[in-house]
Amino acid sequence: QVQLQESGAGLVKPSETLSLTCAVSGFSISSGYYWGWIRQPPGKGLEPIGSIYHSGESYYSPSLRSRVTVSVDTSKNQFSLRLSSMTAADTAVYYCVRGGRGNLFFDFWGQGTLVTVSS
Amino acid sequence: QSALTQPASVSGSPGQSITISCTGTSSDVGGFNYVSWYQQHPGRAPKLLVFDVTNRPSGVSNRFSGSKSGNTASLTISGLQAEDEADYYCSSYTSSTSYSSSITVIFGGGTKLTVL
Repeated sequence: QVQLQESGAGLVKPSETLSLTCAVSGFSISSGYYWGWIRQPPGKGLEPIGSIYHSGESYYSPSLRSRVTVSVDTSKNQFSLRLSSMTAADTAVYYCVRGGRGNLFFDFWGQGTLVTVSS
Repeated sequence: QSALTQPASVSGSPGQSITISCTGTSSDVGGFNYVSWYQQHPGRAPKLLVFDVTNRPSGVSNRFSGSKSGNTASLTISGLQAEDEADYYCSSYTSSTSYSSSITVIFGGGTKLTVL
């Protein structure tokens, strides 16, 4: 069974950079699929942030692309998110996900981690 | 990339069937058979219910079914049960992207299902 687990800082100061890591178990990232991040502000809907293919090609949300980097470490079977210049509007639950065929749907999700932006 | 349109809420009684709609455009829902549906209980991660308009992942109850007509996709839940009370989100591939390296999936705003 594929399992994903997010880790990283839960409190970030305005203007700082968020760093999150997603550890994958039950499946080898280097075997394929897309690996990405989706966030959900409190009480709101789902917003894709970015994804990376197992071979390293990355894809980002147009509204966030100037601030986002998604990277993969196949040796550790994990992938990461960096989101710079954080503001209160970035406060959300951040989920790591596995993207199904062509990254057209998301079939496995982490439990999510709440990130709050506050001084 | 505009969000897909879903009703804010729907409700039904146990045993009944309900349908949640998801309206887009010919650049997303209407143009491709890449609509997915997710169920999210409070405080939990979303769960994939349907992909490619009509397909269910292994383990998902056949009480959940998807369909599409024109620019509107629908999720039907039959034999409504108390545990179906949750938020439901649709998503679709979109061809309206700004960059070749853009994410090509958009979500609806979500629908809260209340089981009366």
